[in-house]
Amino acid sequence: EVQLAESGGGLVQPGGSLRLSCAATKFTFSNYAFIWVRQAPGKGLEWVSYISSTSRTIYYADSVKGRFTISRDNAKNSLYLQMNRVRDEDAAVYYCARVLPGDWGAFDLWGQGTMVTVSS
Amino acid sequence: QAVLTQPPSASGTPGQRVTIFCSGTRSNIGSNTVNWYQQLPGTAPKLLIYSNNQRPSGVPDRFSGSKSGTSASLAISGLQSEDETDYYCAAWDDSLNGPVFGGGTKVTVL
Repeated sequence: EVQLAESGGGLVQPGGSLRLSCAATKFTFSNYAFIWVRQAPGKGLEWVSYISSTSRTIYYADSVKGRFTISRDNAKNSLYLQMNRVRDEDAAVYYCARVLPGDWGAFDLWGQGTMVTVSS
Repeated sequence: QAVLTQPPSASGTPGQRVTIFCSGTRSNIGSNTVNWYQQLPGTAPKLLIYSNNQRPSGVPDRFSGSKSGTSASLAISGLQSEDETDYYCAAWDDSLNGPVFGGGTKVTVL
């Protein structure tokens, strides 16, 4: 089955670090761009970061710029989000999603999400 | 605060037509296509409409989308009980260099 599966979420202290992973199966991972989107409890969707298929183009939301790093390993069919200097407001479910070719705002495949809790 | 503006709620009776509007600016909806997502409780969002009015395989034709200028809309015709959930509009924003979302609209089937 074509799918994305996130992992790596958990409890992190303010100021701490966490690395999220997103594993892709049953499709050609290297052909697609990906994004990370987060959703705080009871809130709406917020884009976090975008990476192109070759990693040549990377964008970050202002709220995470300088603290989070997106990367990918096409050989391992995996996407990553390194979260440093985590803040209370980073607490959310983090989803990875595949970008529909030709429409950067359309995400046609989503993972199940991984929860990040920020607490001391 | 969401970049795109959606009403927080909408409702209708079974069989009715419900329309959700999404308002943006020249840098997002005005310059790029609009996409709609459906999110059932406790699950990941699902792409419902892409490129303003296209339905992915498996999405019922009761769902339709349109765009005009810096606004877009999602219509649900023949409203069913399983349509009661949250809907989000989204578009790429050329100024922010990233996608922007609406705040979400909760549809209630009365």
